Amino acid sequence: GQQVMQIPQYQHVQEGEDFTTYCNSSTTLSNIQWYKQRPGGHPVFLIQLVKSGEVKKQKRLTFQFGEAKKNSSLHITATQTTDVGTYFCAGPSFGNEKLTFGTGTRLTIIP
Amino acid sequence: DGGITQSPKYLFRKEGQNVTLSCEQNLNHDAMYWYRQDPGQGLRLIYYSQIVNDFQKGDIAEGYSVSREKKESFPLTVTSAQKNPTAFYLCASSIGGKKLFFGSGTQLSVL
Repeated sequence: GQQVMQIPQYQHVQEGEDFTTYCNSSTTLSNIQWYKQRPGGHPVFLIQLVKSGEVKKQKRLTFQFGEAKKNSSLHITATQTTDVGTYFCAGPSFGNEKLTFGTGTRLTIIP
Repeated sequence: DGGITQSPKYLFRKEGQNVTLSCEQNLNHDAMYWYRQDPGQGLRLIYYSQIVNDFQKGDIAEGYSVSREKKESFPLTVTSAQKNPTAFYLCASSIGGKKLFFGSGTQLSVL
C-alpha cells in the first residue's frame, strides 16, 4: 500500500534558526496537505498543494510540491517558540480519497 | 460553532470489554475518518466513510468496527479482539478528502 515517509523524525533547533522537513510518497499524489500538531493537541490543517512544482508561502513557512508529485517539503525561516510541534504531510493517491499521513517531524526549539 | 466533538476525552477499557468512542460533526461534511496515534508516532487510518451507510477499512481495521447511520455521526467500537488498544484516537471529517478537520481526540487506556 501507499507509504509516506518524513525526515527527519526529530529536529532540535536554536530559536531563530531555520528548519526543514521532507516528505516522500511511494505513489504519485493528487495533492499534498500539511498539518501541525501542538504537544497534547490535535492536527490542524496548514495548507494544500495541488500543482506539480507548486510553491506556497505563509509568513515564515514555505511549502513546495515536487515536480513528480511524489515529494514535498516545509521550510520555516527564523523559528520561534510558537513553531514547536509535530509537522505531518498527508496525501491521497490518485482515484482514492483515503488520506495517508506521513510519519511526522517533531520540532523542538531551544530558547 | 461548527466543529467535531469527540467523547469521552479519556476512556479506560477492561480486558475483554468492547468500548465505543463517539464522534459527532455539524460541518455537513460527507467524509469522516478514524485515526490511531501511538506516542511519538504518526497517524494510522482505521476506517473511513465517504457517505452515509457506507465505510471502508483503512490500514489497521482489525479489532475495530464502525457504523455510519447518520451523516453527523461516526462512532468507533474498539472490540476485545484489539489486543493493544492503548492509543490516542482522532476523528476527522472533510469534504471530498480535502482539508481534514480533527476533533480533540480520545485517549484510550487499558486497566
